[in-house]
Amino acid sequence: EVQLVESGGGLVQPGGSLRLSCAASRFTFSGYWMHWVRRAPGKGLVWVSGISNDGSITTFANSVKDRFTISRDNAKHTVFLQLSSLTAEDTAVYYCARDTRYSFDIWGQGTMVTVSS
Amino acid sequence: QSALTQPPSASGSLGQSVTISCTGTSSDVGGYNYVSWYQQHPDKAPKLMIYEVSKRPSGVPDRFSGSKSGNTASLTVSGLQAEDEADYYCNSYAGSIPYVFGTGTKVTVL
Repeated sequence: EVQLVESGGGLVQPGGSLRLSCAASRFTFSGYWMHWVRRAPGKGLVWVSGISNDGSITTFANSVKDRFTISRDNAKHTVFLQLSSLTAEDTAVYYCARDTRYSFDIWGQGTMVTVSS
Repeated sequence: QSALTQPPSASGSLGQSVTISCTGTSSDVGGYNYVSWYQQHPDKAPKLMIYEVSKRPSGVPDRFSGSKSGNTASLTVSGLQAEDEADYYCNSYAGSIPYVFGTGTKVTVL
């Protein structure tokens, strides 16, 4: 079964950092753009960041630009999201998703990030 | 990067139909035929229901259909079933941004 599994979430203090991972299995990982999407408690889905299949192109939502970094290791079938300068507004479930034909066809189960002192 | 506009809620009786709108601009919904729709049940991951405005992935019932006119896309769920009760989100490709989600609609099956 095609699968994405996120990890790395947790409780972090304001101003802190965290690195999320998303491990892919059972598909040709290097052939797809990958994205991160988040959902804050009581709020809707928000696209956060995306990376091209070879890692040469990265894009970010304005709200996280200059604070978050996205990268990937195609040999390990894993995409990463480095979160820094975190605020309470970054508290959310973070999902990774596969991009197929300009839609997100495969999603992970999500990993919770809580920013609180 | 303003979110696409969806009604906060929609409802219909078992077996009836419900239609959810998704309004954007000429820079997103109106500019590309890359509108997709997602269903999300509580504490579950989102699920792709419609892509490229009106195409259904394998395994999605044909009760789900999508369309677009100008800057507004729509999702129709026909023959409502209890398991259709969920949050629904539209999404559009928007060029350089490159993606924007809708505000979300909670569908209630009466």
